[in-house]
Amino acid sequence: GENVEQHPSTLSVQEGDSAVIKCTYSDSASNYFPWYKQELGKRPQLIIDIRSNVGEKKDQRIAVTLNKTAKHFSLHITETQPEDSAVYFCAVTAGGGADGLTFGKGTHLIIQP
Amino acid sequence: DTAVSQTPKYLVTQMGNDKSIKCEQNLGHDTMYWYKQDSKKFLKIMFSYNNKELIINETVPNRFSPKSPDKAHLNLHINSLELGDSAVYFCASSQEAGIEAFFGQGTRLTVV
Repeated sequence: GENVEQHPSTLSVQEGDSAVIKCTYSDSASNYFPWYKQELGKRPQLIIDIRSNVGEKKDQRIAVTLNKTAKHFSLHITETQPEDSAVYFCAVTAGGGADGLTFGKGTHLIIQP
Repeated sequence: DTAVSQTPKYLVTQMGNDKSIKCEQNLGHDTMYWYKQDSKKFLKIMFSYNNKELIINETVPNRFSPKSPDKAHLNLHINSLELGDSAVYFCASSQEAGIEAFFGQGTRLTVV
């Protein structure tokens, strides 16, 4: 089955700096790569996603890049703010049928004031 | 309106009991899921279901069973609860399999 590795497990950055979280996956059939943000005690919320026919996607301060050849994708957050503090999960799916998402183990992002 | 709603939000029960968690979505999505989030925050798929097929993660014990009375509901039944079943269980739904999945608020299950 699919294996998703996510690094780092914890990331502490100064407010205003950039944060980068990386994921690698094993199944070359995977074609959808979302990122979820989970605040303490809340549900995972989709913040950005990318499909395999696109190399980069940006939405204001967040961006996702995908390298299908190397089977890795990354989340980039610029100008970090205190409200960015949360656990971030990458996920993959090959889609089709009723496939669900395979998640990475999460990155606890801490924004230092 | 809550898009994906689960009940109850908290569930404390004794070992050996049988319990159910209900999930309803009003998004008109075709596919629903159950995920388990353990104490280390690891999210793992348990079931994927649409009106055509049920996919069961092979690691899920057969004490767990999903039941779908209609397209908008996917309930989770758990028999003979064990201490290791303590976790947060999330229901989710999506229109297209795996794409843009929307999560419910979670049910924190504690087995004592």
